[in-house]
Amino acid sequence: NAGVTQTPKFQVLKTGQSMTLQCAQDMNHNSMYWYRQDPGMGLRLIYYSASEGTTDKGEVPNGYNVSRLNKREFSLRLESAAPSQTSVYFCASSAPWGAETQYFGPGTRLLVL
Amino acid sequence: RKEVEQDPGPFNVPEGATVAFNCTYSNSASQSFFWYRQDCRKEPKLLMSVYSSGNEDGRFTAQLNRASQYISLLIRDSKLSDSATYLCVSPTGGGNKLTFGTGTQLKVEL
Repeated sequence: NAGVTQTPKFQVLKTGQSMTLQCAQDMNHNSMYWYRQDPGMGLRLIYYSASEGTTDKGEVPNGYNVSRLNKREFSLRLESAAPSQTSVYFCASSAPWGAETQYFGPGTRLLVL
Repeated sequence: RKEVEQDPGPFNVPEGATVAFNCTYSNSASQSFFWYRQDCRKEPKLLMSVYSSGNEDGRFTAQLNRASQYISLLIRDSKLSDSATYLCVSPTGGGNKLTFGTGTQLKVEL
């Protein structure tokens, strides 16, 4: 039981490049989330998916797109990376009956030059 | 005003000390809160939940003060392994969303 997995662990991009961050969970959770964490800003919600087939914007969605591929997988895409998107990205999932317990993946450290 | 606000610290305490953190919240309708722990360069993990009756788990006690709109986390007999950032968390609006505070850093020293 791996929990929440994320790939890649680290990535360096040049401004304007695109990339997709992958996230998968094996806990049969309905809800999945993407956060970014920056110094002094805390965790901020980018997008979330309450269930398979649905996605909604969070606090900071600009510059990102998401896909809930199936119940297990929730990907985050940067179409044209900008230096302001340099951050640590965390994916999380939760069960509907225990929404306060979000299980996080190990994170992806992204540097945009 | 942010939904949850925390003193960023760091709190530097000797091993064995008792330390307390507070977190203020703005939404008076919130019924429950949570403390998450985040180790350096790791993902956050749920430490404990806080309801109106408070919560105690070993050396950790969390309490909710509705009148003053703050929650607290008390750690007794601090261990070196308690060194981490503690995140105050509140449910947000509808759905299964959470709002995370910026965290309070604790450093327990010999």
